[in-house]
Amino acid sequence: AQTVTQSQPEMSVQEAETVTLSCTYDTSESNYYLFWYKQPPSRQMILVIRQEAYKQQNATENRFSVNFQKAAKSFSLKISDSQLGDTAMYFCAFMASNTGNQFYFGTGTSLTVIP
Amino acid sequence: EAGVTQFPSHSVIEKGQTVTLRCDPISGHDNLYWYRRVMGKEIKFLLHFVKESKQDESGMPNNRFLAERTGGTYSTLKVQPAELEDSGVYFCASSRIRGEQFFGPGTRLTVL
Repeated sequence: AQTVTQSQPEMSVQEAETVTLSCTYDTSESNYYLFWYKQPPSRQMILVIRQEAYKQQNATENRFSVNFQKAAKSFSLKISDSQLGDTAMYFCAFMASNTGNQFYFGTGTSLTVIP
Repeated sequence: EAGVTQFPSHSVIEKGQTVTLRCDPISGHDNLYWYRRVMGKEIKFLLHFVKESKQDESGMPNNRFLAERTGGTYSTLKVQPAELEDSGVYFCASSRIRGEQFFGPGTRLTVL
């Protein structure tokens, strides 16, 4: 079975600063996807960034980047130049590439960007 | 393109009543998923449709939950009779291919 752990229930960051959200996972699968989703208050969940496990290069999307450590089963999200619109609940998720279609989620990290 | 939509956004019912949640996936997405988040816990998978067929319903908690996807378009999730522990946010997602899922805004269900 797959498990995803987000050990930071709440975090805050000053506007324009950098923050890192942690995520670890456990799996026996060798091929999989990892995701970070963002859910702003009262809005739907949207994909922030996706990483395929076979790719060694860390994924980046503008101000969002990940630090993917496959051996350590760690997948942290770094948000640079934090903006007020980054205030949201962030979920880390796992999906095996070859078995099943379900996502496994962590419990989420509530991030607040302080003006 | 329009995103995944869910109705209602909120529902408050009493224990023992019936509630039906609806999900409209993105047009052309054959895969439709239901998930649930109980307060403070992780989002958990309930089931997966491919068109109108149930591909995987391993996450359905018990037989009080019934999901349908008539015609392979929208889906409904009925809870009958509702219990207190059914409270939570029910998310729907859809996808065209593996490795991506687009989520709806969720339905917040409160059972009193």
